[in-house]
Amino acid sequence: QKEVEQDPGPLSVPEGAIVSLNCTYSNSAFQYFMWYRQYSRKGPELLMYTYSSGNKEDGRFTAQVDKSSKYISLFIRDSQPSDSATYLCAIRSGTSYGKLTFGQGTILTVHP
Amino acid sequence: NAGVTQTPKFRILKIGQSMTLQCTQDMNHNYMYWYRQDPGMGLKLIYYSVGAGITDKGEVPNGYNVSRSTTEDFPLRLELAAPSQTSVYFCASSRTEYEQYFGPGTRLTVT
Repeated sequence: QKEVEQDPGPLSVPEGAIVSLNCTYSNSAFQYFMWYRQYSRKGPELLMYTYSSGNKEDGRFTAQVDKSSKYISLFIRDSQPSDSATYLCAIRSGTSYGKLTFGQGTILTVHP
Repeated sequence: NAGVTQTPKFRILKIGQSMTLQCTQDMNHNYMYWYRQDPGMGLKLIYYSVGAGITDKGEVPNGYNVSRSTTEDFPLRLELAAPSQTSVYFCASSRTEYEQYFGPGTRLTVT
């Protein structure tokens, strides 16, 4: 079983839709949860991070963590064509400083 | 402030050749990383460094070597290139435990 599983998509939605991106993980030692966004032919950039169960909002983006189910989600409200990118979840344990385990990435296209 | 820079952007190697991928950061970060990204496979950690003179293996280190003589530079060496090393290589650096800053990547083809 992979440590982090992410539905690769691709996902295609109309502009204005609510997008849900999801990852599951197997290691309960994971404590830090991040979402990175990667535009085509660019390096990933950090979008959001959290280290506790519950929701964290930042503008149109909400990161949700359920540690009991080992499930993390990223919601995008009022999606825009500029949100079209690959979204990668990344997780690390409390002891492995800086060593992130990435999901496979979900390719999202928002069409006008 | 350039962030993380990588050279070259593209390279084609023949099987058995060697090359060095360069990575430099100007943010004074202690932590640096090399990843490879294959289609649909996410990012796999090759090597990482917690400071000058200290390096350690990641998930997929075979066929690669690194050195870290300064805080700024973290080159990745490919010896005896193989087709399985065809990939996009990303260098990253970090100060915190969650935010890594990535370079633009090097696209390598081994034929």
